[in-house]
Amino acid sequence: DTAVSQTPKYLVTQMGNDKSIKCEQNLGHDTMYWYKQDSKKFLKIMFSYNNKELIINETVPNRFSPKSPDKAHLNLHINSLELGDSAVYFCASSQDQWAGMNTEAFFGQGTRLTVV
Amino acid sequence: AQSVTQLDSHVSVSEGTPVLLRCNYSSSYSPSLFWYVQHPNKGLQLLLKYTSAATLVKGINGFEAEFKKSETSFHLTKPSAHMSDAAEYFCVVTTPFSGGYNKLIFGAGTRLAVHP
Repeated sequence: DTAVSQTPKYLVTQMGNDKSIKCEQNLGHDTMYWYKQDSKKFLKIMFSYNNKELIINETVPNRFSPKSPDKAHLNLHINSLELGDSAVYFCASSQDQWAGMNTEAFFGQGTRLTVV
Repeated sequence: AQSVTQLDSHVSVSEGTPVLLRCNYSSSYSPSLFWYVQHPNKGLQLLLKYTSAATLVKGINGFEAEFKKSETSFHLTKPSAHMSDAAEYFCVVTTPFSGGYNKLIFGAGTRLAVHP
């Protein structure tokens, strides 16, 4: 059983298109995240949701719109894709996100997005 | 603000020799610290975590790390490298966010190469 699963694993698309990446976790966690890993392997948080509510939005362009239909799912929709959006996108979840608590995150396998 | 610095972008060792991956953090309070490993084209896997309990933390695959508050360090070690240890390693620190939440801050990563 995959704890955090995201689809698709690879996504190649043209500039200007709209695409979605789906993420599901079966760990019963309250918090889910999207991270972006650039070509230099640097990982940066994009969004965090706690119990379907947006907690963190790290100045991501509004072309990126996360949607959490329930606390087990956090999908990422990207409008008007640009070349600079090419990266690996990781979904993750954690039991909680409170300061002082254990915020160990479990990651999906990543979605490699290539915009041509 | 919290930050984490991985002092080496690349480390190369021979199989069977010790591994040392260095990490320094900056934090104005007692943080939680993690090491994650990413094998090529894979997701991130938690190696070990420090959450204000024992300062010497043992993880999976023979890795351990020691939290040294006086040196603000959390170096990752392994007595004897194995070929399968070749991967990218990330040191991670928690940082408080508004509303009492935490978020994870990733270091830039250290690529470990293991040669025969």
